Order: sequence, then C-alpha cells, then structure tokens
Amino acid sequence: QKEVEQDPGPLSVPEGAIVSLNCTYSNSAFQYFMWYRQYSRKGPELLMYTYSSGNKEDGRFTAQVDKSSKYISLFIRDSQPSDSATYLCAISTQGGSEKLVFGKGTKLTVNP
Amino acid sequence: GAVVSQHPSWVICKSGTSVKIECRSLDFQATTMFWYRQFPKQSLMLMATSNEGSKATYEQGVEKDKFLINHASLTLSTLTVTSAHPEDSSFYICRSGTEDEQFFGPGTRLTVL
Repeated sequence: QKEVEQDPGPLSVPEGAIVSLNCTYSNSAFQYFMWYRQYSRKGPELLMYTYSSGNKEDGRFTAQVDKSSKYISLFIRDSQPSDSATYLCAISTQGGSEKLVFGKGTKLTVNP
Repeated sequence: GAVVSQHPSWVICKSGTSVKIECRSLDFQATTMFWYRQFPKQSLMLMATSNEGSKATYEQGVEKDKFLINHASLTLSTLTVTSAHPEDSSFYICRSGTEDEQFFGPGTRLTVL
C-alpha cells in the first residue's frame, strides 16, 4: 500500500462549482498535511498547511483533516479558470524542513 | 518572502553529456535542500537530501554516482546529472526554506536527446 493515495483525475468542472480534492494515507505517524498547487511546467506552491484534525479556511480554500480516517481534503469554493492546475497533497511526520511524501496530484480544469 | 531559484529553467543536451542544475536560496541560509524529480503526469519523487558541508543523503534506488549533489555553501546546492540518457529526461525541482516556511524552486526541465 502506498503511503499516500490521491486520485489523479482529471477533474473538469464549470466555473463557480465547488471542487473537492482528496487524499488518504496509511501511516498514523504523519502529523502535518499540506496542499500544493502546481501550474504546468512550474514548481509547486504551498496553498494550505494544517496540523490538527478539523477545518482550516483561507479565502476560497478549505483544508480538512480527519486523522481517525486518515483522510484529507481540499475544497475550493466558487472555482475560477485560474484555479486550473494540478493539486498535490503532501504529508510529513514532522513540520518544517523535513521530508514530504506527495500524492500523485489531481489535474483540475475549471471551464469558463 | 523567501525565494528559491533554479538555473537553468530548461536544458537540452546530447546523450552521454553531463548537466549541472543550480538551486539557490535568495534571502535565507539553507542548511538543507531537497531535490525532486517529476516525470510527466507523475508526482514529485524525492531523489536526495542535500546537506551543507556534508554528503547528500540519497533515496533508495537513486544512483549517487549518477546524480552528484554538492552543497558547498548555505545558499547554493547543485545537482549534476552525469552521462545523461534519454530516460533521465524529466522535471527537476529543488525545495528549501526555514523551519517556518518551505519553498519549491521553479524547476528545471531536462531533455536528453
């Protein structure tokens, strides 16, 4: 079983839709959870960083962590064409400058 | 905020040649830098952890003699792909930062003909 599982999609939605992206992980030692956005031929950029179970909101983005189910989600409200990118979940056992384990990434297209 | 840069952004080389990729931290001291490789439609795979002043730590399956890493200063780590072959064609990305923030470089696209 892989450490992190993420549905690669692709996912195509109309502008304004609510997008739900998900990852599951297998090791309860993972304590830090991140979502990155990667545009084509660019390096990933950090969107959300969470530590505890529950929700964390930042503008149109909400990160959700359920440690009991080992399940993390990223919700995008009022999706925009500029949100079209690949979204990668990443987890680590420690914060800061430690190793990250990445999901495969989900390619999202928001159609105008 | 902290920024990580990479050079070159893309490179095309002939099979058998060596290619050097630089990763620089622009406004912070990076004792650790991570090197990743990303094939098309695949996720980032950690290749090695570069430590300033000491030998890099390579992930299982990554040939240290093929992917030479040098981290001689607190702002620069280099990855040299030696005797590159077409299967080495990929997107190489570095990551670094402080305990509070981590940043990825913009990536280097390597194409080996």
